[in-house]
Amino acid sequence: NAGVTQTPKFRVLKTGQSMTLLCAQDMNHEYMYWYRQDPGMGLRLIHYSVGEGTTAKGEVPDGYNVSRLKKQNFLLGLESAAPSQTSVYFCASSRRGGNNEQFFGPGTRLTVL
Amino acid sequence: SQKIEQNSEALNIQEGKTATLTCNYTNYSPAYLQWYRQDPGRGPVFLLLIRENEKEKRKERLKVTFDTTLKQSLFHITASQPADSATYLCALDIGSKAAGNKLTFGGGTRVLVKP
Repeated sequence: NAGVTQTPKFRVLKTGQSMTLLCAQDMNHEYMYWYRQDPGMGLRLIHYSVGEGTTAKGEVPDGYNVSRLKKQNFLLGLESAAPSQTSVYFCASSRRGGNNEQFFGPGTRLTVL
Repeated sequence: SQKIEQNSEALNIQEGKTATLTCNYTNYSPAYLQWYRQDPGRGPVFLLLIRENEKEKRKERLKVTFDTTLKQSLFHITASQPADSATYLCALDIGSKAAGNKLTFGGGTRVLVKP
């Protein structure tokens, strides 16, 4: 099992450009999450999904959109990138129900110039 | 809003000693609390979960306590080794099962174990 994978690993964008980050998991998990991690800020939840076809906003959703067309994939989109979106992005997944650990991907380092 | 505080200063400790990390929270009553380990350039990895009705949980050289009155969790690494050097994150649940098992993370405490 590959667990949670993310593509790309690194990306540099110019202000105003768009891009999509892809997250895939092979553990048949119902729940998936997108976080951003900034120095001194910890992990902050952007959007999450409780199942195929569903999405919901997290703590810092502005400037991002997500889609969960297939259970195993969770896409994070930036329509018009801004320097404030420079960060490391992590995807995670977990089984249905509370008390379940989250499995994280390796992260995507994004720089917006 | 919920606030989770971890000591932002790095913890330097001698090999073989016990490292103790603190996680304090306010404005919330979580049903459970989790601890994760994060190495540089990698995603967090789950270590332990403790429920609100549990006082203590152990896993090998790790021990977690949870005091819902003090709103505090302590994370202990006993007989620490250089390989334990990493950043340790605490996380609290902020939603029900219907809300997707959401977690709020603290900023993490970096631990450096010196030989």
